[in-house]
Amino acid sequence: GNSVTQMEGPVTLSEEAFLTINCTYTATGYPSLFWYVQYPGEGLQLLLKATKADDKGSNKGFEATYRKETTSFHLEKGSVQVSDSAVYFCALLNTGGFKTIFGAGTRLFVKA
Amino acid sequence: DTGVSQDPRHKITKRGQNVTFRCDPISEHNRLYWYRQTLGQGPEFLTYFQNEAQLEKSRLLSDRFSAERPKGSFSTLEIQRTEQGDSAMYLCASSRGGRSGVFNQPQHFGDGTRLSIL
Repeated sequence: GNSVTQMEGPVTLSEEAFLTINCTYTATGYPSLFWYVQYPGEGLQLLLKATKADDKGSNKGFEATYRKETTSFHLEKGSVQVSDSAVYFCALLNTGGFKTIFGAGTRLFVKA
Repeated sequence: DTGVSQDPRHKITKRGQNVTFRCDPISEHNRLYWYRQTLGQGPEFLTYFQNEAQLEKSRLLSDRFSAERPKGSFSTLEIQRTEQGDSAMYLCASSRGGRSGVFNQPQHFGDGTRLSIL
């Protein structure tokens, strides 16, 4: 079946540090991959997406590359800010599917 | 694009009571989804509609749960005879999809309804 595994948190970084949150997936077919972010008390916001192998999704300084050979979609940001503190979810949606499969989420704390 | 709207944001009720939540999707989206999220976990799929038709229900959706989307616009999720285990965040999402050339569109989420059972 389809599944998403992401690194456990919490991840604690100082402001301006480099961020990597690892995500790997298992899927039949050719899924689209997403990163969502959830701020306290809010729903999920789409952060970025990639729909095919080697695509790079990017938004607000975050980026992730769809790696089919390693079934990975790691999230990176060169310089984090305190305002990036949130929970980040990696997710997949299979071709022609309707059910988004989410990882368990990784909580990020950024200290000033 | 006014976003997905959910009401209420919070609901506290006693065990055994019935509750109903409402979701208003993004207006041009024909697909609507309900998910449940418990503390420290990612959202889990409950059910989805394409227009007014409910096309899939998860095994998580027991007989006490029912969802409707009568006119293909807003949707309601009702839980009857609530139990402690129903305490969670209930998230609604919407997307375009199901038409030729429209594939794997990302789902846009509302802020959720947090249900607490006393």
